[in-house]
Amino acid sequence: AQSVSQHNHHVILSEAASLELGCNYSYGGTVNLFWYVQYPGQHLQLLLKYFSGDPLVKGIKGFEAEFIKSKFSFNLRKPSVQWSDTAEYFCAVISYNTDKLIFGTGTRLQVFP
Amino acid sequence: NAGVTQTPKFQVLKTGQSMTLQCAQDMNHNSMYWYRQDPGMGLRLIYYSASEGTTDKGEVPNGYNVSRLNKREFSLRLESAAPSQTSVYFCASSPKRQAYEQYFGPGTRLTVT
Repeated sequence: AQSVSQHNHHVILSEAASLELGCNYSYGGTVNLFWYVQYPGQHLQLLLKYFSGDPLVKGIKGFEAEFIKSKFSFNLRKPSVQWSDTAEYFCAVISYNTDKLIFGTGTRLQVFP
Repeated sequence: NAGVTQTPKFQVLKTGQSMTLQCAQDMNHNSMYWYRQDPGMGLRLIYYSASEGTTDKGEVPNGYNVSRLNKREFSLRLESAAPSQTSVYFCASSPKRQAYEQYFGPGTRLTVT
């Protein structure tokens, strides 16, 4: 069955530190990939998405992600985090065959001033 | 343009009670979804509706029913609530069935005692 793995469950960083959150998926066919963010008490918002083309995609608030097809990965990065980045981050994958968006279990990021 | 709206925001039920969660979107989207979010498990799809008049089961449909009342509205019903259904419920919509990003509502926090 299709699955999405986020290996970092809880990440704690100081402001200005660099961030990389891992995401791996199991499906081998054509997929679209997403990162969503959920700030405390709020609903999910799209951070960035990959459909095709340049495997390095840039999203809002300085986030970027790189799609590496050979590794089935779509890791999220930010060079310098801010306190306001404290949130939960979800990787999600949708395949053209199943039409269903599959979420990872999420990574809770805490950034301290 | 309100996006995706959900009512109620909070609800407490006793075991065995029934209730309906309401969801509406004003973006003229074809597809709508219901998810539940539980700690450490990410979001799991309960039911979805690819278009008006159709509904399909997701990953965790047991104990729930849905109705796609029209293109705008997609309701989720718990016929006999159980403590295991304590969760945060999110409704989402997307323009088309396949491969498009989903837009989420603010969520309903449900507690079943």
